[in-house]
Amino acid sequence: GAVVSQHPSWVICKSGTSVKIECRSLDFQATTMFWYRQFPKQSLMLMATSNEGSKATYEQGVEKDKFLINHASLTLSTLTVTSAHPEDSSFYICSAPKANLGKETQYFGPGTRLLVL
Amino acid sequence: QKEVEQDPGPLSVPEGAIVSLNCTYSNSAFQYFMWYRQYSRKGPELLMYTYSSGNKEDGRFTAQVDKSSKYISLFIRDSQPSDSATYLCAMTSWGKLQFGAGTQVVVTP
Repeated sequence: GAVVSQHPSWVICKSGTSVKIECRSLDFQATTMFWYRQFPKQSLMLMATSNEGSKATYEQGVEKDKFLINHASLTLSTLTVTSAHPEDSSFYICSAPKANLGKETQYFGPGTRLLVL
Repeated sequence: QKEVEQDPGPLSVPEGAIVSLNCTYSNSAFQYFMWYRQYSRKGPELLMYTYSSGNKEDGRFTAQVDKSSKYISLFIRDSQPSDSATYLCAMTSWGKLQFGAGTQVVVTP
């Protein structure tokens, strides 16, 4: 079964509003989670690394004031798209690494489709 | 130059054929190699995970890693229409993943 969940699965909002997306690890703790964005027919692009208890680290070109990340607990990270605009419409996916027998595997959430009108 | 190169396809094969996918990479620090399958409008699903050179089999799937050539492959035997999806390679030294562009695979009945 799914080990990482996301909520909501899709959201439509008006331009200028803010949207919060939740990412939860269901049966393990994750001190680190990753947020990706995927435009149609393109691969996932890493946006930022969410760190529990400290500030997120953002990839080059990603506006930290626009994409607010809060790693509230060891099982929850949130991404808030502030003052969303149509160009922010995309598929947002989170992942969390889970250790198993000394090896780390990334598990992905099902994604959140955002449409900004 | 991208750290991970993958042909986006589409790759069309008849049902029952072997699907052959591959990626090349430039960063010799990568140690862990993954293949993900992504259906339309869904998040990626982990298929295979390897960390050493050589072959790894799981059912109809075989993953190959050649660290000396910086080349990884995924083979799907006895392909089915349900295998039609985008397949992404990914690799990491620890933590962050670097993805290939993904190859769209279409298996025709």
